[in-house]
Amino acid sequence: KAGVTQTPRYLIKTRGQQVTLSCSPISGHRSVSWYQQTPGQGLQFLFEYFSETQRNKGNFPGRFSGRQFSNSRSEMNVSTLELGDSALYLCASEESNPRTDTQYFGPGTRLTVL
Amino acid sequence: AQSVTQLGSHVSVSEGALVLLRCNYSSSVPPYLFWYVQYPNQGLQLLLKYTTGATLVKGINGFEAEFKKSETSFHLTKPSAHMSDAAEYFCAVRPYSSASKIIFGSGTRLSIRP
Repeated sequence: KAGVTQTPRYLIKTRGQQVTLSCSPISGHRSVSWYQQTPGQGLQFLFEYFSETQRNKGNFPGRFSGRQFSNSRSEMNVSTLELGDSALYLCASEESNPRTDTQYFGPGTRLTVL
Repeated sequence: AQSVTQLGSHVSVSEGALVLLRCNYSSSVPPYLFWYVQYPNQGLQLLLKYTTGATLVKGINGFEAEFKKSETSFHLTKPSAHMSDAAEYFCAVRPYSSASKIIFGSGTRLSIRP
């Protein structure tokens, strides 16, 4: 099976702009989670989508949003970009049951905000 | 709130030496426990996980970890380090109360000396 794919791999934006990142999960996986990785804060959970519904969310401002489509592909959007949003954004997918399944991560999208 | 502590942000060992990366978690209920590895410019790869059952867990690339409830620890070991083991390692927990969310430790960068 193909792994989790994320597009684009690299992105450069300026403050105030908005950005959309895409994640395609492993075939058959219905849950997609998003994480932000920065040198200062480490890996932080953004949100998780399952069957097109947000099932869990972390402590991020409303500028960070996401959605999931019927084919389980997911997008996350960041509006009004700030310098501090520069990070590696990782997407992870799993089948359905968080108590037994394992999250598989994509290579990430490196976002740089200038 | 649950947390994960990785002792030592940087560990350096000689090739062929024992690798020991320490991880402690805080939880009144044993969570699910994971070790992930991240190579430069890549996503996270699962090394091993503990959910229930045998407390000594074997993973990929010769790594293993032992869940010790009394010590709330989940240390990662490998008997003989290889140059290819150089990477960043993350310990993570999946809280029982919010199983879809993974909480990561701050990471330990492993360097291997020739």
